[in-house]
Amino acid sequence: AQSVTQPDIHITVSEGASLELRCNYSYGATPYLFWYVQSPGQGLQLLLKYFSGDTLVQGIKGFEAEFKRSQSSFNLRKPSVHWSDAAEYFCAVGAGGGGADGLTFGKGTHLIIQP
Amino acid sequence: NAGVTQTPKFRILKIGQSMTLQCAQDMNHNYMYWYRQDPGMGLKLIYYSVGAGITDKGEVPNGYNVSRSTTEDFPLRLELAAPSQTSVYFCASRDRGRVGAFFGQGTRLTVV
Repeated sequence: AQSVTQPDIHITVSEGASLELRCNYSYGATPYLFWYVQSPGQGLQLLLKYFSGDTLVQGIKGFEAEFKRSQSSFNLRKPSVHWSDAAEYFCAVGAGGGGADGLTFGKGTHLIIQP
Repeated sequence: NAGVTQTPKFRILKIGQSMTLQCAQDMNHNYMYWYRQDPGMGLKLIYYSVGAGITDKGEVPNGYNVSRSTTEDFPLRLELAAPSQTSVYFCASRDRGRVGAFFGQGTRLTVV
């Protein structure tokens, strides 16, 4: 069965500092990987996705993520965080293309930005 | 704006009451999904549908029912509400052949 682990429940970062959120996955086939962000009281917004090709993917809001098959990881990074980045971040794995299966989510990482 | 629309945004139910959470999308997506989100638990898939007339169970379907009579609508029905169903419910959709789903704003349900 597929699963996603986000080891950090909370992360606190100073504004302007760099950020890395960790994500490890377990999936039987070639994974489709996603990072979503959820601001308080809002739905989920897709930050970026990976399913093939270049293992470093760029997303919206200055985020990027790197797929490392050997480590089963898909960590999210941002070189300099802004106060508006404070939110809940979810890593997810699932099928794309013709597969209809829903996504399997990690439990999320709550990002706190210190002034 | 195009997207996934959920109604209501908030609802309080008494134990044993029933209700339907509405979800509509105007992107002509084939696939639609219902998730529930509990604190510290991420999102869990309740039901999904690959097209009108076709639905299937996800990871946590007990206590819920769905129907898909049109491409646009995918309502979620709670027949006998229980406190364990207190949660935030998200509807999502995506097009076959594409990756990444679009999510609605969520429905916050409290059962007392």
